[in-house]
Amino acid sequence: SQQGEEDPQALSIQEGENATMNCSYKTSINNLQWYRQNSGRGLVHLILIRSNEREKHSGRLRVTLDTSKKSSSLLITASRAADTASYFCATADDTGTASKLTFGTGTRLQVTL
Amino acid sequence: DAGITQSPRHKVTETGTPVTLRCHQTENHRYMYWYRQDPGHGLRLIHYSYGVKDTDKGEVSDGYSVSRSKTEDFLLTLESATSSQTSVYFCAIRSTGETQYFGPGTRLLVL
Repeated sequence: SQQGEEDPQALSIQEGENATMNCSYKTSINNLQWYRQNSGRGLVHLILIRSNEREKHSGRLRVTLDTSKKSSSLLITASRAADTASYFCATADDTGTASKLTFGTGTRLQVTL
Repeated sequence: DAGITQSPRHKVTETGTPVTLRCHQTENHRYMYWYRQDPGHGLRLIHYSYGVKDTDKGEVSDGYSVSRSKTEDFLLTLESATSSQTSVYFCAIRSTGETQYFGPGTRLLVL
């Protein structure tokens, strides 16, 4: 079963707009990560937020984490056509080594000119 | 790409035949993973390895076996391929942090 469920499944916006994607998960986590996948390629790590953190920034990316609601959001500001990709959240559980990730089903983002 | 290669990149095979996919890394990482990606399911963990000869099952391990006889290679074997194993297979390594780096993927079609 999937740990993370992304919402929406698909999102279409215009260049310059902000894009927000949400992720919900079911069990206690050590950290939550966001990955990007361009069509036909492998996943690329974007950002990691730990369970004791509430917000993290990296360039145009802003991630929030609410462990009480078991949810996270990824905000991409001032989107560009090159941001067109699928975005996945992944959770590492808190049972020990945190060596395994459980991925959600992803949000497909389309940024048009 | 953290020095990860996968071979083959594309394969077409027939039901019932054995298939082996190879993942090769050049940076001596301890943890290696095999995932499959299917529409509507995201990525699902098949097997992973935490060292030479040390492997464990993931979420969807039935019908798959793995081997890791040396640090740099992690092999995924479908003993008798089925059409339900048609998928895109990704190998990943875990860096010294907790993030994973993915290979380019192998597209497998089982007819």
